[in-house]
Amino acid sequence: NAGVTQTPKFQVLKTGQSMTLQCAQDMNHEYMSWYRQDPGMGLRLIHYSVGAGITDQGEVPNGYNVSRSTTEDFPLRLLSAAPSQTSVYFCASSSLPSSGNTIYFGEGSWLTVV
Amino acid sequence: GQNIDQPTEMTATEGAIVQINCTYQTSGFNGLFWYQQHAGEAPTFLSYNVLDGLEEKGRFSSFLSRSKGYSYLLLKELQMKDSASYLCAVRSLLNQAGTALIFGKGTTLSVSS
Repeated sequence: NAGVTQTPKFQVLKTGQSMTLQCAQDMNHEYMSWYRQDPGMGLRLIHYSVGAGITDQGEVPNGYNVSRSTTEDFPLRLLSAAPSQTSVYFCASSSLPSSGNTIYFGEGSWLTVV
Repeated sequence: GQNIDQPTEMTATEGAIVQINCTYQTSGFNGLFWYQQHAGEAPTFLSYNVLDGLEEKGRFSSFLSRSKGYSYLLLKELQMKDSASYLCAVRSLLNQAGTALIFGKGTTLSVSS
């Protein structure tokens, strides 16, 4: 997946712990987003950003915070992890919508909350 | 609200043709995407439709009818490696500035010899 880097790839957390999933892209894309993917549920949008300093909520934002201080980085913070947040998380980026643009995904972060 | 429906599972044999349907209800439609996702991997882009009609790309074709809220992905000359999940996603306006991809739950395609 060209240009979108997610870390860590795997993480185990205890209930109540906090952590940050990192996402960085080097394509100068304005648009970045975070999804979670659960079995049988498809990808669900958590938060998204259309540029530095601008973020907004998606379909399932509760329990997650984001910030966008630079164009390149879009971290996802879990303030107090819960077992329901066990999931696979994908970061994605693209240039602002135009005909035919594609969205680039990171390789995913597997998070387990025990 | 936003709603995207696609079949949960499909099976087919090598060399055959399979059509995966997707119906959607969404506000501020701004394009429809198809992605392929193998187990344990990130989705990879297959096709994009924003106008009505058929887009062909090798063994894969995608069709869109905006008036019917309907799309399909057509896979020809199926190969074992085509066994994967196929995700239909609609880009829709969430607010005055933001758009986002809203995904269906995916269709798991199993190709057998």
